[in-house]
Amino acid sequence: EPEVTQTPSHQVTQMGQEVILRCVPISNHLYFYWYRQILGQKVEFLVSFYNNEISEKSEIFDDQFSVERPDGSNFTLKIRSTKLEDSAMYFCASSLPSDYEQYFGPGTRLTVT
Amino acid sequence: RKEVEQDPGPFNVPEGATVAFNCTYSNSASQSFFWYRQDCRKEPKLLMSVYSSGNEDGRFTAQLNRASQYISLLIRDSKLSDSATYLCVVNHQAGTALIFGKGTTLSVSS
Repeated sequence: EPEVTQTPSHQVTQMGQEVILRCVPISNHLYFYWYRQILGQKVEFLVSFYNNEISEKSEIFDDQFSVERPDGSNFTLKIRSTKLEDSAMYFCASSLPSDYEQYFGPGTRLTVT
Repeated sequence: RKEVEQDPGPFNVPEGATVAFNCTYSNSASQSFFWYRQDCRKEPKLLMSVYSSGNEDGRFTAQLNRASQYISLLIRDSKLSDSATYLCVVNHQAGTALIFGKGTTLSVSS
């Protein structure tokens, strides 16, 4: 069964450093998403991406964040200058254009020290 | 007001019990409704979509009441493996943000 994959599974970084989280969505999906979940809190939407541009973003997704689809398979989330409060699980998801159902990758646990 | 609200639990039940979770949503424009399951430190996994007519998948039954903006999940004959957090999720349009509740924790014991 096709699945969303994410790398790395765990990233530790120092405050102020840049990080790039990587995702490979399901191959025939055209919508891509990033969500985050701070420990003990709910899953929160960050951004959606379709046709090589951001289609929706939340107020969490400020100028420190950017997304990119550098090639035909990868989808990345970059955090330019990490803060302590960026520590969270980051989940990538993908879906078909006509489908409400989104499928999640296993997540990257980001720890900012 | 939170957009999706759930009773956080925890619900502690013995194996074989029937347990029901409830959820309310505030935005009447919501179009699609789901129950996801999340194990500790894992990704949310789609359990089932929820339709106005109600739907069943084995031991799981989901109901939607659009008038009351209320969603439910019933689990019959609980198994140890059902222990997880159950997330109520709504969506306004395909390709847009899923809006999650905080989840209800279920613990099934032998």
